[in-house]
Amino acid sequence: KNEVEQSPQNLTAQEGEFITINCSYSVGISALHWLQQHPGGGIVSLFMLSSGKKKHGRLIATINIQEKHSSLHITASHPRDSAVYICAVGDKLIFGTGTRLQVFP
Amino acid sequence: EPEVTQTPSHQVTQMGQEVILRCVPISNHLYFYWYRQILGQKVEFLVSFYNNEISEKSEIFDDQFSVERPDGSNFTLKIRSTKLEDSAMYFCASILGTGGQGPLHFGNGTRLTVT
Repeated sequence: KNEVEQSPQNLTAQEGEFITINCSYSVGISALHWLQQHPGGGIVSLFMLSSGKKKHGRLIATINIQEKHSSLHITASHPRDSAVYICAVGDKLIFGTGTRLQVFP
Repeated sequence: EPEVTQTPSHQVTQMGQEVILRCVPISNHLYFYWYRQILGQKVEFLVSFYNNEISEKSEIFDDQFSVERPDGSNFTLKIRSTKLEDSAMYFCASILGTGGQGPLHFGNGTRLTVT
């Protein structure tokens, strides 16, 4: 069993839709990261969370430490949001398998 | 904004050869990581490094791999005798604090092709 599970694996949406990506983990952690990997391969950090909720522009990330679950939400999705979204947890920063998001105009 | 830099961006080598992948982390960061991503697969943890020594390593990081911070700025990953299955994108990352605390910064990666 993977230590970090993401769902869904693939997600397609129409521009403007509200997107939710989920991450569940089995290890104890002090922080969880949400990352974005663009088709060109580069990886960018979106959020680092240790509790509660963070918001940056159209992106919102929440974490429930007791339930070992985090969600990434994208409001008013746009084609430029198309990427792979990855959660990473723990001291080793174990990566989830990623969620491939495609937003169509 | 400071960034993590990796060189080279692409390395082609023959099976059995040694390669050294280089990374310059952000200067005040304390924790450094190497990851690899085989084409079409997820990013995999290789090794973390703190205070001039390995703090954790994965099963992938066998005796063929080593890391060094030779001069206080560069952070290198060496593969002693490359195999075909070492072909992948290798990412370096750095972070300020322990336990994954602080924004995580990635380099743009080195694409290693072993022929």
